[in-house]
Amino acid sequence: QKEVEQNSGPLSVPEGAIASLNCTYSDRGSQSFFWYRQYSGKSPELIMSIYSNGDKEDGRFTAQLNKASQYVSLLIRDSQPSDSATYLCAVTRDSGNTPLVFGKGTRLSVIA
Amino acid sequence: ETGVTQTPRHLVMGMTNKKSLKCEQHLGHNAMYWYKQSAKKPLELMFVYSLEERVENNSVPSRFSPECPNSSHLFLHLHTLQPEDSALYLCASSQDGSYEQFFGPGTRLTVL
Repeated sequence: QKEVEQNSGPLSVPEGAIASLNCTYSDRGSQSFFWYRQYSGKSPELIMSIYSNGDKEDGRFTAQLNKASQYVSLLIRDSQPSDSATYLCAVTRDSGNTPLVFGKGTRLSVIA
Repeated sequence: ETGVTQTPRHLVMGMTNKKSLKCEQHLGHNAMYWYKQSAKKPLELMFVYSLEERVENNSVPSRFSPECPNSSHLFLHLHTLQPEDSALYLCASSQDGSYEQFFGPGTRLTVL
């Protein structure tokens, strides 16, 4: 059973702080990793993808991947109240149509 | 219309009804997906179509019947559903060979 684990939260951070969201996965053959943001009552929106070990930065977002530890994280710098949402980690083994396996998501609350 | 659209956005049905959910993607993609999202559960993949052929069926009950007449349209036909089928049903699309999926707004289904 392939699993993706996330702390459900809520994770509360003050405005301007760094929010750190973590995800672990069980399938050692996983190759592609994604972070989706889902606002309440809305559908998931892809915000980051990472395929290689190390860090990948995009604006205020940094994804970090450590395949040896089967761990992927998302850092949000200078957190804003508009970042308050549920963040879903998704993992897939290999090529295009291999199903994504999603975690339950971590609810982030940024306090103004 | 742009992106991925779904209709209806909300649906209430009795257990003996037959209804259909519709999804349309305007992104030129050739793979489409149905997901179920229930409270406090991870996103569950139901069906995958690639190039209009079903490639994945995650042991979904036969009361859910998908149809993909072309690469832009996807339907989910519903009949004799149970109250536990109440959930948010999300459609997604991707380009064959790409891992990045784009979601529609979802249909909130309530089965009475």
